[in-house]
Formats: sequence, structure tokens, C-alpha cells
Amino acid sequence: KQEVTQIPAALSVPEGENLVLNCSFTDSAIYNLQWFRQDPGKGLTSLLLIQSSQREQTSGRLNASLDKSSGRSTLYIAASQPGDSATYLCAVNTGNQFYFGTGTSLTVIP
Amino acid sequence: DGGITQSPKYLFRKEGQNVTLSCEQNLNHDAMYWYRQDPGQGLRLIYYSQIVNDFQKGDIAEGYSVSREKKESFPLTVTSAQKNPTAFYLCASSPQGLETQYFGPGTRLLVL
Repeated sequence: KQEVTQIPAALSVPEGENLVLNCSFTDSAIYNLQWFRQDPGKGLTSLLLIQSSQREQTSGRLNASLDKSSGRSTLYIAASQPGDSATYLCAVNTGNQFYFGTGTSLTVIP
Repeated sequence: DGGITQSPKYLFRKEGQNVTLSCEQNLNHDAMYWYRQDPGQGLRLIYYSQIVNDFQKGDIAEGYSVSREKKESFPLTVTSAQKNPTAFYLCASSPQGLETQYFGPGTRLLVL
């Protein structure tokens, strides 16, 4: 069964700093990997989707990379802002379902 | 406005009672999903459906039931057999099973 781990569980940074969130998975047989943002008490918002054949995807200040062979993905956030404060989850799609990590809770301090 | 709606936002269940959570989408998506989220844990899949009148159990289906009579609707019933139902429940949909998932705002279920 696919296991997805996110490190660190929580992260606090000053505004303007660049940061990296990590996601690892145990089975490299995946179709795609998706990064989500979740605000407290809310649903998930999709940030980036990387297909298994891709190495990275970019959207604005966000860049996600995928190394399928090593079972790793990173989400890079440039020039962090207080509005980026949220929980970030990665999810791995094995074909029939997504397996989710427990998330990284990010706080950006003004 | 296209999207996924879930109702109610908060739901209270008495012991021994069955309750039903609503999920509706107007995105014309084929696949729909129900997840449960507990503090400190990732989302866990309860049930999913890739086509009308068909659905499959996820990892934690015991104590739950679903139906998919219409493409737009995928209600989840939490039965009295679910002994620890307090959680945040999220519904999602996708055009097909391998594509981006879109999530509703969630329903928080509490036990009285």
C-alpha cells in the first residue's frame, strides 16, 4: 500500500523567505502527484499537478518537482507572504485513488 | 458558478442515529469521492464512484454507505455502526480518475 510522508509537519518562516516543502512516497508506480493548499476548516484547493512523465510544474511563485524513481516531490515557494500561511498537502495518484500525506502547516510571519 | 457544494456545514449526530451528508457538483465530472480527515492525519478514502450506479469501497468504508443515482450527486450516510464518526468530511470530484481532484468546502460531523 502506498505511504505518503511530509516533512516537516510544521514550519514557521519570516516574510520574504524562500522555502521548500518535502513529500515522499513508498511506491514509485504512480500516475501523477498533486499539491494542495488547505486553510483552517476549509476544503482543499489544487495548486499544481505533475504527471509521472514530468519533472516539474510552475505556477507563479510555486514550483513543484517530481523524482519518481526516488519517491520524492518538493514544493518550492518563492518570496513567501503572510497569505501563504496554510497547510500544504501532497497526494499521490496510483490509478484508482489518491493517497494523501499528513501535510505541512506553514506560518509566514510578517 | 461551477463547483462542488456540501451541506450542511456542521452536523450533529445522536448515538444510534444515521445521518446523511450531501455532495453535489455541477462540473459534469464522472468521478466522485468521499474522504475523512482527522486531526494530525491525512485524508483517508471512504468510497469513490467513477460512474453513475457504480461505486467502490475505499480504505475505511466500514460504517458508511453511499449511492450514485445521478451524475451530480454522491450522498454519504454515516450509519450507527460507525462508532467514531467525529471528523471533517470532504467530497471531491474529477473529470476522470487520473485527473485533478476538486474539493467541496467540507462538513464537520460532531456527536452529541
